[in-house]
Amino acid sequence: DGGITQSPKYLFRKEGQNVTLSCEQNLNHDAMYWYRQDPGQGLRLIYYSQIVNDFQKGDIAEGYSVSREKKESFPLTVTSAQKNPTAFYLCASRRGANQPQHFGDGTRLSIL
Amino acid sequence: GENVEQHPSTLSVQEGDSAVIKCTYSDSASNYFPWYKQELGKGPQLIIDIRSNVGEKKDQRIAVTLNKTAKHFSLHITETQPEDSAVYFCAARPDRGSTLGRLYFGRGTQLTVWP
Repeated sequence: DGGITQSPKYLFRKEGQNVTLSCEQNLNHDAMYWYRQDPGQGLRLIYYSQIVNDFQKGDIAEGYSVSREKKESFPLTVTSAQKNPTAFYLCASRRGANQPQHFGDGTRLSIL
Repeated sequence: GENVEQHPSTLSVQEGDSAVIKCTYSDSASNYFPWYKQELGKGPQLIIDIRSNVGEKKDQRIAVTLNKTAKHFSLHITETQPEDSAVYFCAARPDRGSTLGRLYFGRGTQLTVWP
């Protein structure tokens, strides 16, 4: 089935550790996005990428890093510099500039 | 950048009643307005969208209206059912430069439909 797969569904991090969240899509979509969701705050954009090997910072990029080496993959690393990483992380993708975004089912990150 | 405001933040209705969620936006370059439904523990799902050359769009029990002059758009759900209970997000997409394709989201509305 075509779709956006985020893994793992739940992730726990010790303080001082970096963790990487996976996002894979087999929809042949060009653009991919990472959002952070906190209760009552809606979806805030972390990073986005419109083509392979290129990405832009969103509104809350500090403490995060990404790569886009393949069209189908857009992993997000939450670094130890992110002081409040506990949140629900959503990955999205879209085919073209005039097409809607579609979301994966998210990864919930918690601090041990 | 674009700023999207969404109201109310919570909405409770009786089954069979209508629900209306309203959003305003600030950037006149926005020309695409999707609505997403998010169930607990899942990612948002697109339920309906509207482009700026259209004033209203309907899909069975849901409809969206757009007033470009006033910069506001609304989601209308008729004959609500308990399975409509979820968080609903509105968004706007400016057709502008390097942010082409980027969505700006409202903060969400928790809709509860009581049987």
